[in-house]
Amino acid sequence: EPEVTQTPSHQVTQMGQEVILRCVPISNHLYFYWYRQILGQKVEFLVSFYNNEISEKSEIFDDQFSVERPDGSNFTLKIRSTKLEDSAMYFCASSEGWGALNEQFFGPGTRLTVL
Amino acid sequence: DAKTTQPPSMDCAEGRAANLPCNHSTISGNEYVYWYRQIHSQGPQYIIHGLKNNETNEMASLIITEDRKSSTLILPHATLRDTAVYYCIVRGLGSSNTGKLIFGQGTTLQVKP
Repeated sequence: EPEVTQTPSHQVTQMGQEVILRCVPISNHLYFYWYRQILGQKVEFLVSFYNNEISEKSEIFDDQFSVERPDGSNFTLKIRSTKLEDSAMYFCASSEGWGALNEQFFGPGTRLTVL
Repeated sequence: DAKTTQPPSMDCAEGRAANLPCNHSTISGNEYVYWYRQIHSQGPQYIIHGLKNNETNEMASLIITEDRKSSTLILPHATLRDTAVYYCIVRGLGSSNTGKLIFGQGTTLQVKP
């Protein structure tokens, strides 16, 4: 069964450093998402991406964040200058279509720890 | 998207049916009810969705009341591996729907031996 994969599974970084989290969505999916979950809190939407453009972003997704689909398979989330409060699980998701009739498939997540 | 209300936690005996309720009293006619679950900090997993008819798949059944103001997710024979946080999410088809999922706190289901 196809699945969304994410690397690395755990990333430790120093405050102020740049990190890139990588995702490989399901191959025939066209819509891509990033979510995050701070320990003990709910899953929060960050950004959605389609046709090489951001479709929607939350207020969490400020200028420190960016997303890119550098090739036909990878989807990345970059945090330019990490803060302590960026420590969280980051989940990538993809869906075949848009909106309410298309379930999203989530990856296993990357645990980001900012020291 | 309509707001949902779920109990924070529930217990269920292994092998018994787990019935997880969700209230969505402000749901509108073109909004679907979706259920996802999250097993111990893994990525959320899609379970089932429905509009107004009851739905069943290999994982669960979804019962939606006639007025659509509430629904129940049924795991017919719960196992220890079904211990997870279960999220009820309402999603619309309108132009304001951009695909994002809005997660609440969900219901933590503990399946006990």
